[in-house]
Amino acid sequence: GAVVSQHPSRVICKSGTSVKIECRSLDFQATTMFWYRQFPKKSLMLMATSNEGSKATYEQGVEKDKFLINHASLTLSTLTVTSAHPEDSSFYICSAIWTSDGETQYFGPGTRLLVL
Amino acid sequence: GDSVTQMEGPVTLSEEACLTINCTYTATGYPSLFWYVQYPGEGLQLLLKATKADDKGSNKGFEATYRKETTSFHLEKGSVQVSDSAVYFCALSRNTNAGKSTFGDGTTLTVKP
Repeated sequence: GAVVSQHPSRVICKSGTSVKIECRSLDFQATTMFWYRQFPKKSLMLMATSNEGSKATYEQGVEKDKFLINHASLTLSTLTVTSAHPEDSSFYICSAIWTSDGETQYFGPGTRLLVL
Repeated sequence: GDSVTQMEGPVTLSEEACLTINCTYTATGYPSLFWYVQYPGEGLQLLLKATKADDKGSNKGFEATYRKETTSFHLEKGSVQVSDSAVYFCALSRNTNAGKSTFGDGTTLTVKP
């Protein structure tokens, strides 16, 4: 159990376009999901906390109008990178909180974004 | 605030060698502690966890003990395999903070045959 999926796994897009990344909890409901960004050979940088039915909470320095988060159901959160630029190229990882203990995170496999 | 410090890598070992990756934390109260593993090109997978002092988490031959007195959660394995090559992250979390975690910088392990 506790499987989290992400789609797509890899995406290449042109500068100026928007890209949507989906994060789904497949076998459990998640009221809270997190979105991370990981740079090569670096740790995870928390971008925002996604709460079902309410607005996301963004970390300091993360532009909320640039990275739109929607958590419309208990099993789905989406991250949309708007007007993407080459510097947005990165590995984006989501996680969902295991509701039974409220603290164990299960991670998606990540989405590799390349903006040309 | 909370912080996690991991042993700097990279770590290179021969197959069947013993592994220790040090992890210490700074936090008030009693956080839960985790080890995650990330294989190349993939997301993180939960390896093991411990939720209170003196608890030992174990999985796939790896183990770590929650040491409150030394604020440590060192990862150990008695005999590593080539398939253990990955990046290992130590993390802490609080139930009272909606599960928000603090991660260490990660330690890259390479096991050579």
